[in-house]
Amino acid sequence: AQTVTQSQPEMSVQEAETVTLSCTYDTSESDYYLFWYKQPPSRQMILVIRQEAYKQQNATENRFSVNFQKAAKSFSLKISDSQLGDAAMYFCAYRTDYGGATNKLIFGTGTLLAVQP
Amino acid sequence: GAVVSQHPSWVICKSGTSVKIECRSLDFQATTMFWYRQFPKQSLMLMATSNEGSKATYEQGVEKDKFLINHASLTLSTLTVTSAHPEDSSFYICSARDPRDPGGNEQYFGPGTRLTVT
Repeated sequence: AQTVTQSQPEMSVQEAETVTLSCTYDTSESDYYLFWYKQPPSRQMILVIRQEAYKQQNATENRFSVNFQKAAKSFSLKISDSQLGDAAMYFCAYRTDYGGATNKLIFGTGTLLAVQP
Repeated sequence: GAVVSQHPSWVICKSGTSVKIECRSLDFQATTMFWYRQFPKQSLMLMATSNEGSKATYEQGVEKDKFLINHASLTLSTLTVTSAHPEDSSFYICSARDPRDPGGNEQYFGPGTRLTVT
C-alpha cells in the first residue's frame, strides 16, 4: 500500500523569505500523481500544485514550485517570497494512475506553516 | 475551476438523532464523489467513495450502517450520520472529480461541514 510522510509537523518562515516543505512517499507503482494542497483556517482545501510522475520537469505555479525526485520518492514544495496569506496547513497527497475514476487520494499528515510578518 | 458545495456548513444535533449532509457539484456532473472526515489538526481520512447509481465503497473500519451514503444523481451525494453520538463530532469534507478535467486527476473539495453532537 502507498504511504505519504510529512516529517515536519510545523514550519515557520519570515514574510518575503523562502521555505521548503518536505514530503516522501512509498509506492511500487511507476505511474502516479502527486499533489500539494493548502488548507487555510477556513478549512477549504485548495490545490496548490500537481506533478505527474512521468514528467521529469518539476511543476511550477507562480511562487510555488516542487522538487520531484522520483528515484528518491521525494516531493518537496518550495514557496518563494512568502506572504501572510500562505499561512495554512499544507498536505502532500498521492494518487495512483491505475483504477480509473475511483482513484483515491492518500494524504500525508500535514505541515502547519506560519508566516511571520 | 469546478465548484463543489456542501450543506449545511455547520450543524448541531442531539445524541441519538440523524443528520444529513449534502454535497453538490455545481457546474459539472460527478460520477464519483469522496467523503472525508477530519479531526482538529489532523489529516483527511477517507471514509468512502460514492458512485452515482451504485453502492458506495467504504474504507476499512468505517461503519456503513452508521454513515449512509447516497449518490442518487450526477450532481448530488449525501452523507447521513445515523444515531449520532458525541464521538461523531468532526469536520466532514466531500470532494468530486470533474470528468472534463483533461488530466482527470484533480479532486475539487467542498468547504466542509462541521458536525457537533451534544
